[in-house]
Amino acid sequence: GNSVTQMEGPVTLSEEAFLTINCTYTATGYPSLFWYVQYPGEGLQLLLKATKADDKGSNKGFEATYRKETTSFHLEKGSVQVSDSAVYFCALNTGNQFYFGTGTSLTVIP
Amino acid sequence: DSGVTQTPKHLITATGQRVTLRCSPRSGDLSVYWYQQSLDQGLQFLIQYYNGEERAKGNILERFSAQQFPDLHSELNLSSLELGDSALYFCASSVDVYREQYFGPGTRLTVT
Repeated sequence: GNSVTQMEGPVTLSEEAFLTINCTYTATGYPSLFWYVQYPGEGLQLLLKATKADDKGSNKGFEATYRKETTSFHLEKGSVQVSDSAVYFCALNTGNQFYFGTGTSLTVIP
Repeated sequence: DSGVTQTPKHLITATGQRVTLRCSPRSGDLSVYWYQQSLDQGLQFLIQYYNGEERAKGNILERFSAQQFPDLHSELNLSSLELGDSALYFCASSVDVYREQYFGPGTRLTVT
């Protein structure tokens, strides 16, 4: 079946550190892939997306590349800030249904 | 602001009661999704509507029901409430079933 697996958290980094949050997926066909971010007390916000293989989504310094050969969509940021502290969700859309990962909590300390 | 509105923001009720949560999608969006988020279960997909018709069902209990009205707003009805139903309930909308979802701010339900 279709599913998304993302790395377990919580992740704690110092400000300006490099961030990687791993996400792999299982899906039939050609799904679209997304990263969402949830700040404390708020709903999920779309962070970036990629709709086909080799597409790179980017926003606010975050990037993720749709890798069909490794069925992955890892989230990266070169230099994290305290304001990036949030929960990050990887998701895929097969056209029939959306599937979300379990979320990875990130805390950035000054 | 995503453009998706949810009311009420907070709801406190007793076990056995029934509540209705309301969602208005972004202008132009035809698809509405409902999710439950609790600390131990993460984000659980409940149900999806597209242009008034039920399109997909997830882990929705029989005590829960939903509908999407002709003006495209949606309501989630939760009945015979139990303590374990305490959670954040999110609505999301999208233009169609292939595009990204936009989430509302959520309704926090507390069952006492």
